[in-house]
Order: sequence, then C-alpha cells, then structure tokens
Amino acid sequence: DSGVTQTPKHLITATGQRVTLRCSPRSGDLSVYWYQQSLDQGLQFLIQYYNGEERAKGNILERFSAQQFPDLHSELNLSSLELGDSALYFCASTGTGGTGELFFGEGSRLTVL
Amino acid sequence: AQSVSQHNHHVILSEAASLELGCNYSYGGTVNLFWYVQYPGQHLQLLLKYFSGDPLVKGIKGFEAEFIKSKFSFNLRKPSVQWSDTAEYFCAVDLYGGSQGNLIFGKGTKLSVKP
Repeated sequence: DSGVTQTPKHLITATGQRVTLRCSPRSGDLSVYWYQQSLDQGLQFLIQYYNGEERAKGNILERFSAQQFPDLHSELNLSSLELGDSALYFCASTGTGGTGELFFGEGSRLTVL
Repeated sequence: AQSVSQHNHHVILSEAASLELGCNYSYGGTVNLFWYVQYPGQHLQLLLKYFSGDPLVKGIKGFEAEFIKSKFSFNLRKPSVQWSDTAEYFCAVDLYGGSQGNLIFGKGTKLSVKP
C-alpha cells in the first residue's frame, strides 16, 4: 500500500460526458501529480500541484483541469470526453525530502464508450 | 522533444536467467534517472534511482542499473531472475535534475519469468 488513494477504481461513461477523478496523497505529502497511461502513449505527465498551487503542466488537454484543495486532496476533471480519453489515470504524491521518489496510487481506469 | 526509449516491449525468461532491460533518453542536460516496477494488480513503485555519484546503483530485490552518460543510457540488470519478478518495468527521467517529479516515462517493458 503506497498510501495514495484514488477513486473510483473503474469508470465507464459515454462520449461528451464529464467525470471527476479523486486522489488523496500520502499523509504529509504536499505535491500531487497526475499521469495518464494509455496503450499507445505510455505514461504521460499531465499536471502537478504543490500545496494548492499549480506547479507544472505537461501534456494536459484543455478539456482537462485539476485542482488541489486545502486538505491536499486533488481532483482531475475530464470533460467533453472522447473515445481516445480511455486510459488509466494515475495520481502520485511526494514529500519535500527531495528524494525524487513518487508514490503512486492504483489508478482510475476510465472507459469512454 | 525529450523522450525515453525502452527497447524491449516484452521479455520472456526462465528462472535463474540473467536480465538486462535497455533504457535510453534523449536529453543533453542534467538528469535524474529512475526505474519503477508495476507488479500485476499493484501500483507503480520505485525500484532504484540515480541522481549523482557512482553510476552503478543498486536497488531493491537484487536489481541494479548503470548510468552511462556518453550513451544516454540507464540499463537495468539482475543476475538471476525469479518468477516473482514478473512485472512491468518503467524507466523514467527527471529532465530538470531537481527531483520535481514531473517525470518522462518510457513505454515500459513487460517481463514474464517462467518457473
């Protein structure tokens, strides 16, 4: 158990819909990262938050947005869903020790039909 | 664009065979390098990492990796694999050398070990 919790584990929805994925980081970790894993693109960094503020942005589509709340949990919002958005979405967190180790959740598998 | 290449998509070995998984990255600046492992049904977890110093790093479960700067490579090795090493292995690079965590991952190598 990494200490990072993601919900839901599985989600099936239709094109055009909007979903929200939730992540609770390890206790005490201020940084939260979102990654998308698909068969063709592999693991891609989407966005990072640190203590409520956006810190870095990767290959995140404009239809996607994220935020980190005062209690440090984070949500990834995916809207106007397309078939190609079907993927496994991972959240990871890390502390401030500078070890570079990310602690990953078990992922949320999104299927868009 | 910067990228990480893992040469093998799927490797099948018998127990006790030696393992080497290739990883190359395309970036000329300072990097931190990582190998993560994902066992079936589990989350990604860190196997080992290189930041600086001795280019041969040792990780958990008998794995090691060698950073060869001139070849932009960070290959993972294990002298004798076990059935329990069956997993997917991901090489990752932190381009900014600052442990920012926005890593670039390779597409992964699936390792199947036959008992």
